[in-house]
Amino acid sequence: GQNIDQPTEMTATEGAIVQINCTYQTSGFNGLFWYQQHAGEAPTFLSYNVLDGLEEKGRFSSFLSRSKGYSYLLLKELQMKDSASYLCAVLDSNYQLIWGAGTKLIIKP
Amino acid sequence: GAVVSQHPSRVICKSGTSVKIECRSLDFQATTMFWYRQFPKQSLMLMATSNEGSKATYEQGVEKDKFLINHASLTLSTLTVTSAHPEDSSFYICSATREGREADTQYFGPGTRLTVL
Repeated sequence: GQNIDQPTEMTATEGAIVQINCTYQTSGFNGLFWYQQHAGEAPTFLSYNVLDGLEEKGRFSSFLSRSKGYSYLLLKELQMKDSASYLCAVLDSNYQLIWGAGTKLIIKP
Repeated sequence: GAVVSQHPSRVICKSGTSVKIECRSLDFQATTMFWYRQFPKQSLMLMATSNEGSKATYEQGVEKDKFLINHASLTLSTLTVTSAHPEDSSFYICSATREGREADTQYFGPGTRLTVL
């Protein structure tokens, strides 16, 4: 079957750095997405990786290793507004998006 | 940009009534639109995928006669929840993809919170 694993919840301190991991086993791979979802709101697109390596976008970076079936989202200089759920999703060989359950990130002052 | 809107944002209705939710891509033509449902503290559940002018493809377990999808144009898709019941209360979110470099990126509407009394 297809599976996306990410931690259920993480806690970090304002101003710090946090890394949210995602591992996947899917039938094929056509890219990996990270989305941010604040409570009660719809997801917003953060990043897309299809090749190995690190993609940096401001305070957020996303890394992919296809051979390991692994990605992480790195958030730097954490702000209180970064408190949200972070969803990892993989596009499989049929171009179906397989969603992880999300990681709830709690930022403490 | 890639802006997707949904209307209404919130609806409360009586059991047995039908509710229509609109999803529009405002600044692009959507190649494909997706409808999701999300229950509290759970992940997104894909309900159906639709392309303009063709019948929607429903996920297993989603009743096509209960959740009617009409994709009338490249910028508009509607989801009608027919004969809604309290168990249909949920957060309904649409998303859309567009042509070009990020053709597989889904851009989400703000969601519609449905409460059936």
